[in-house]
Amino acid sequence: GDSVTQTEGQVALSEEDFLTIHCNYSASGYPALFWYVQYPGEGPQFLFRASRDKEKGSSRGFEATYNKETTSFHLQKASVQESDSAVYYCALGETGGADRLTFGKGTQLIIQP
Amino acid sequence: DPKIIQKPKYLVAVTGSEKILICEQYLGHNAMYWYRQSAKKPLEFMFSYSYQKLMDNQTASSRFQPQSSKKNHLDLQITALKPDDSATYFCASSQPGLGQDTQYFGPGTRLLVL
Repeated sequence: GDSVTQTEGQVALSEEDFLTIHCNYSASGYPALFWYVQYPGEGPQFLFRASRDKEKGSSRGFEATYNKETTSFHLQKASVQESDSAVYYCALGETGGADRLTFGKGTQLIIQP
Repeated sequence: DPKIIQKPKYLVAVTGSEKILICEQYLGHNAMYWYRQSAKKPLEFMFSYSYQKLMDNQTASSRFQPQSSKKNHLDLQITALKPDDSATYFCASSQPGLGQDTQYFGPGTRLLVL
């Protein structure tokens, strides 16, 4: 079945550091890839998506590029802020209507001032 | 104004009882979903509905029954509750299209089964 692997369970950085959270997937065909962010006590919030090879998704300074060759969709941000502290989830969804999302285990991002 | 409403926010239940989790969405979407998040597992898909019809069910237990009384409602009935059912349950919605739809999530209902 489909799966998403996020290798970092937790990432701790200082403000203005460069961020990378790794996401690799396993799926047949061309799934859509997503990043969601979850703050304490809230539901996951859609950050952005990409649907085809080499497409870049971006929002709020975060970005990721769909790479079919390496089956990856790594999240990056050039300069993190304390307000970016949250849990980040990579997810994939098959094409078609009303299809499930398969989520990675999530990466806790801690930004120290 | 919140676009996806889940009620209640918190719920405490005793083992063996039955509860209904409410979800209403005001995004005009025609697909709705339930996911579960617990300490043991990441966000886990449970059900999907499209135009009020069940599309996918990944919940092995029949104790979990979605109920779609209106186009923008998808409630979740849980019977014979067990402590292992303790989790946060998220409702989501999307607009079915030609490709994978973007799903938007509600704030969740935190269920604790004693």
